[in-house]
Parts: sequence; C-alpha cells; structure tokens
Amino acid sequence: EDQVTQSPEALRLQEGESSSLNCSYTVSGLRGLFWYRQDPGKGPEFLFTLYSAGEEKEKERLKATLTKKESFLHITAPKPEDSATYLCAVRGRSNDMRFGAGTRLTVKP
Amino acid sequence: DTGVSQDPRHKITKRGQNVTFRCDPISEHNRLYWYRQTLGQGPEFLTYFQNEAQLEKSRLLSDRFSAERPKGSFSTLEIQRTEQGDSAMYLCASSLALGGRANNEQFFGPGTRLTVL
Repeated sequence: EDQVTQSPEALRLQEGESSSLNCSYTVSGLRGLFWYRQDPGKGPEFLFTLYSAGEEKEKERLKATLTKKESFLHITAPKPEDSATYLCAVRGRSNDMRFGAGTRLTVKP
Repeated sequence: DTGVSQDPRHKITKRGQNVTFRCDPISEHNRLYWYRQTLGQGPEFLTYFQNEAQLEKSRLLSDRFSAERPKGSFSTLEIQRTEQGDSAMYLCASSLALGGRANNEQFFGPGTRLTVL
C-alpha cells in the first residue's frame, strides 16, 4: 500500500531562517509526487509536481527535490506569509493521490 | 473566478439527516475527485469521475455515501443518515487528463465543512 510520511509535524522559523521539509514515501510505480500548500479553512493550493529522481522545481522561495525514497521542500529566507501547512502526495498505479499528514509551518517576523 | 467551486461552504446537520454537496470543476477538466479531510490529517481519497463515469471508489466510501456527475460537468456527493464521524471537510478537485498521461495536477476547491451534531 502506498504510504507518505511527512516530517516534522510542525516547524517554527524566524523570518529569513531557511529550512527543509521532508516527505518520505513508498509507492508502487511512482507516477508523480505533488506538493501543496494549505491555509486554514481553505482547500490545498497546488505548488509542484515531480516525476523522477533527480528532478528539481523552484517557485519564489520554494524549491522541491526528489529522490527514489523522499522529497524535500526547501524554503529559503521565509517570510511570515509562507506560514501554512505543506502537504505532500504521491500517485502510484491507481488514479487517486495518497497524502501525508502535512507539516505545519509558522514563520515569525 | 474560473477555479473549482463548492457549495455550501459550511453545513451543520443533526445525526440521521441526509446532506448533499455540490462541486463545479474547472470547465475544461474531465476528471473530478472527492476527498475527505479531518483536522490535522491530509485529504483522503473517496472517489473520482472521468467525464460522467465513476471509475474508482475508496473503501472509505460506505454505502451511505453516493456521488454522481450526471452530465460530466458538476458533481454531487450525498451522505445519507449522517453520523458524527462524518464530520469533516469535504474537498473536490479537478484535473485534465490528456491521452495516456494521467499525472496531471489536481486543483482543489475551498471545501465544504460538515458538522454533524
């Protein structure tokens, strides 16, 4: 069964303090690893899709990387508006996505 | 606004009542998904449609739950005889699957928060 584990569960950073969020996964036949951002009371907002080991994608202060067993979401010089829950999901042979529980990020000014 | 929309945004009901939620996907998207999310957890897949056909259902989808997408556009999710354990955020997402590539990103709506008293 496909599994996704995200760590840490919660992360508190000072503004400008760079860090990384981890997503470890086991999946049969990876057909995509997805990162989403979710603000309280709202639906997840799509950030990135990664398809194969070694792939990297960037958007503003965020950079996602992928290996055969895990993905990292690197946050460079975060700002308070980056505070949110970051969700990782995988798609294997089925057409649904399996989500992790998320990392709740708080960035203090 | 051309994103995914859901209605209502909030629903409070008494145990045993039936509820129905609606999702309007992004207009050109042929796939529509339903998820359930509880506090502190990621979304859990319930079911998905390609056009009007319901192609996959999770074992989480008990026989009290039914979903339809009659014309391949909007979808409804009905919960019969609601239980307190049904309290959750119900999320809808849509995507455009082109040819054999089914990895296309899913875009989520704002969700319907259900509270069963």
